[in-house]
Amino acid sequence: AQSVTQLDSHVSVSEGTPVLLRCNYSSSYSPSLFWYVQHPNKGLQLLLKYTSAATLVKGINGFEAEFKKSETSFHLTKPSAHMSDAAEYFCVVSVSGGSNYKLTFGKGTLLTVNP
Amino acid sequence: DVKVTQSSRYLVKRTGEKVFLECVQDMDHENMFWYRQDPGLGLRLIYFSYDVKMKEKGDIPEGYSVSREKKERFSLILESASTNQTSMYLCASPPSGGSSVEQYFGPGTRLTVT
Repeated sequence: AQSVTQLDSHVSVSEGTPVLLRCNYSSSYSPSLFWYVQHPNKGLQLLLKYTSAATLVKGINGFEAEFKKSETSFHLTKPSAHMSDAAEYFCVVSVSGGSNYKLTFGKGTLLTVNP
Repeated sequence: DVKVTQSSRYLVKRTGEKVFLECVQDMDHENMFWYRQDPGLGLRLIYFSYDVKMKEKGDIPEGYSVSREKKERFSLILESASTNQTSMYLCASPPSGGSSVEQYFGPGTRLTVT
């Protein structure tokens, strides 16, 4: 079984300050981990993914995430928030099961960026 | 560019109606998924298909069925729509490659059942 916990349902930051969105996962097998972003009235877009290569993963728009197996975490960070980062963010774990696989989504973190 | 399209962006139906939501992908992918997205709950998997005429239940299949007669098309069917099925429905399709590949999402269908 696998699960994902996004520790904050809402994060509010000021423009230019760092962003931290927290994600913990549980998986019986080696997982792949993803962060997706959803802007208002837009589809889901992949930000970055971890697939057992480098533990520090860089994504689009200056975001990065670090896979920490000992802490079962995959937190998303960005050094300096921009107004355009305001969106909902989803942490996702994926585990193979035979010929197919299944994604489990976290409940989402809404990021608000204040001017 | 992979494209996943959904037949409607907005849909309003009455309780008890049979509702069809269509999803089409243009990249010959084997896997296709249907999710529903509700505030505070994230995305929950309803059904998925890994080949034509093949389907598997996801986490919340009750009240839904699916059809995959052609590789590019995956339909979600609400047999008798109810108000608790008011939601955003998202179709997704990843390329082959196991659990490490990303999913490509359609734009979503916002369904309201009155």
